[in-house]
Amino acid sequence: SAVISQKPSRDICQRGTSLTIQCQVDSQVTMMFWYRQQPGQSLTLIATANQGSEATYESGFVIDKFPISRPNLTFSTLTVSNMSPEDSSIYLCSVDRLTNEKLFFGSGTQLSVL
Amino acid sequence: DAKTTQPNSMESNEEEPVHLPCNHSTISGTDYIHWYRQLPSQGPEYVIHGLTSNVNNRMASLAIAEDRKSSTLILHRATLRDAAVYYCILRDRDDKIIFGKGTRLHILP
Repeated sequence: SAVISQKPSRDICQRGTSLTIQCQVDSQVTMMFWYRQQPGQSLTLIATANQGSEATYESGFVIDKFPISRPNLTFSTLTVSNMSPEDSSIYLCSVDRLTNEKLFFGSGTQLSVL
Repeated sequence: DAKTTQPNSMESNEEEPVHLPCNHSTISGTDYIHWYRQLPSQGPEYVIHGLTSNVNNRMASLAIAEDRKSSTLILHRATLRDAAVYYCILRDRDDKIIFGKGTRLHILP
């Protein structure tokens, strides 16, 4: 299994500020993904974090709002920029090690924007 | 992305088997069938996956129809800790995973 450390676990932020969420994996992984889960909803894929190149964003998500870094095979960050109350959600990092193997998920970041 | 259809919710009695259905009539030949579950206040966890043949692991069994247009996740003996949202997902090779709404499983004591 892969051990994923996601930080912070929760935060309360003011409107207009930005928050960077970190995802650290205990071993090298092929793919890293960022998801959002709004209250009572399923998970929505934000983007695939590509090592050494720009992230690939899903429809409805843009780099200016959710910049992502992936400097190496074990680490990625997601920034939620210029936050509004609508950004209040749980943000989850997930990884897989091998092609078409199972995904592992971090414990999530509970974000509340006032 | 190939889509799946699951019932919104199901109920089962504790210590009885549970069969969670999933329809995926537009599945392609290279799509793997994955199941994940999400316990309350936790991130999703992997349950099982397969391509064509039935699969068993310590958590569950996956029964795949011969035409692959449907599958069933089988929990052999449900416990209260199995109460969760179960997601059936199609994944093509190393493609991303897109979650549907899933089935909320309630276990009755």
